[in-house]
Amino acid sequence: DQQVKQNSPSLSVQEGRISILNCDYTNSMFDYFLWYKKYPAEGPTFLISISSIKDKNEDGRFTVFLNKSAKHLSLHIVPSQPGDSAVYFCAASGVDNFNKFYFGSGTKLNVKP
Amino acid sequence: DTGVSQDPRHKITKRGQNVTFRCDPISEHNRLYWYRQTLGQGPEFLTYFQNEAQLEKSRLLSDRFSAERPKGSFSTLEIQRTEQGDSAMYLCASSPPGGTEQFFGPGTRLTVL
Repeated sequence: DQQVKQNSPSLSVQEGRISILNCDYTNSMFDYFLWYKKYPAEGPTFLISISSIKDKNEDGRFTVFLNKSAKHLSLHIVPSQPGDSAVYFCAASGVDNFNKFYFGSGTKLNVKP
Repeated sequence: DTGVSQDPRHKITKRGQNVTFRCDPISEHNRLYWYRQTLGQGPEFLTYFQNEAQLEKSRLLSDRFSAERPKGSFSTLEIQRTEQGDSAMYLCASSPPGGTEQFFGPGTRLTVL
């Protein structure tokens, strides 16, 4: 049962434009959400997180938006840079077990120069 | 480098053989996690330790799999009687006391022939 879904396997964006990566979840007990970035031959690297008490969290060029009623979150990257090209994973954990992360299947972002 | 390290990075084995992977977490991180990632999917939770205690195991962790963290520092993941379906990337992560973020290692890629 896939509790976290990333329905877009890939996304291509021009350098300088906005990249929007989407993630949906089904478990209403999830209350903490994270985005990880993964380059080939490396492990996932933490990017940004958001707690369910917020609907937005910003860190430099990265902003995560959370819509609890729609069980949807998105990651905005503005402006996109070629070095942002990587696979992005959405992850979630619940109030009952914050140690267990559920990951989506990832979206491969390609930022074209 | 003070990140999470995993050894070996790659392992090729024949079906039926036993394999063991090692993970060294970031110093002073008391929680350690194992995940498995197959092609086109996100990491799937296998198990986690708080200090030396194994607190949760996924149903993905069949009786052929065993994980240990004997002194609360490094951990080992052993797979007995490997099957072709065990071919995957095995990722280790660690978290500091009170922290919610998981820091991942580069993974061990297992290929079972």
